[in-house]
Amino acid sequence: AQTVTQSQPEMSVQEAETVTLSCTYDTSESDYYLFWYKQPPSRQMILVIRQEAYKQQNATENRFSVNFQKAAKSFSLKISDSQLGDAAMYFCAYSRDDKIIFGKGTRLHILP
Amino acid sequence: NAGVTQTPKFRILKIGQSMTLQCTQDMNHNYMYWYRQDPGMGLKLIYYSVGAGITDKGEVPNGYNVSRSTTEDFPLRLELAAPSQTSVYFCASSIFSGIRETQYFGPGTRLLVL
Repeated sequence: AQTVTQSQPEMSVQEAETVTLSCTYDTSESDYYLFWYKQPPSRQMILVIRQEAYKQQNATENRFSVNFQKAAKSFSLKISDSQLGDAAMYFCAYSRDDKIIFGKGTRLHILP
Repeated sequence: NAGVTQTPKFRILKIGQSMTLQCTQDMNHNYMYWYRQDPGMGLKLIYYSVGAGITDKGEVPNGYNVSRSTTEDFPLRLELAAPSQTSVYFCASSIFSGIRETQYFGPGTRLLVL
């Protein structure tokens, strides 16, 4: 069965610094999708970035980028120039066919 | 364009009571989903729908029912509320192929069963 593991329950970063959130997953499939979602205190889930497994190029969205290592089954999120508004829970998710599996999340604190 | 809306925002139920969580999207999306999020955990899929009249079970469907009579609406029904159903419920929608596409989430409904 597929699993998604986020090994860092909480992290802190100084404002304007760079932080990397870790995610590993387990699958025997070769074609799948990976996501990072942000959940601020409002609890709404917001898509941050998406990666298709068949694409070797790492996805980027403004200050957010991923390091996708398919062989290692690793999908980390890098946030550059951290801002106070980045404070939230971040969830890594794996999807294939009609299934989506979320990790338990990493709570990110931004220190002013 | 309101996106995905959910009502109510918060509800307290007694054990054995029933209720319906409402979800509406105005983006003409084919796919709609219901998730639950337990404290300190990620989301788990309860039910999903690929279009009006079609629904299917997700990872944790027991104790819930859904219907999809229109493209816009996807209500989630709890028939006999149990304390284990205390959670935050999220509705989401997407255009195609559900999981492969960006999902748009509603603001969530917090449910407390006592």
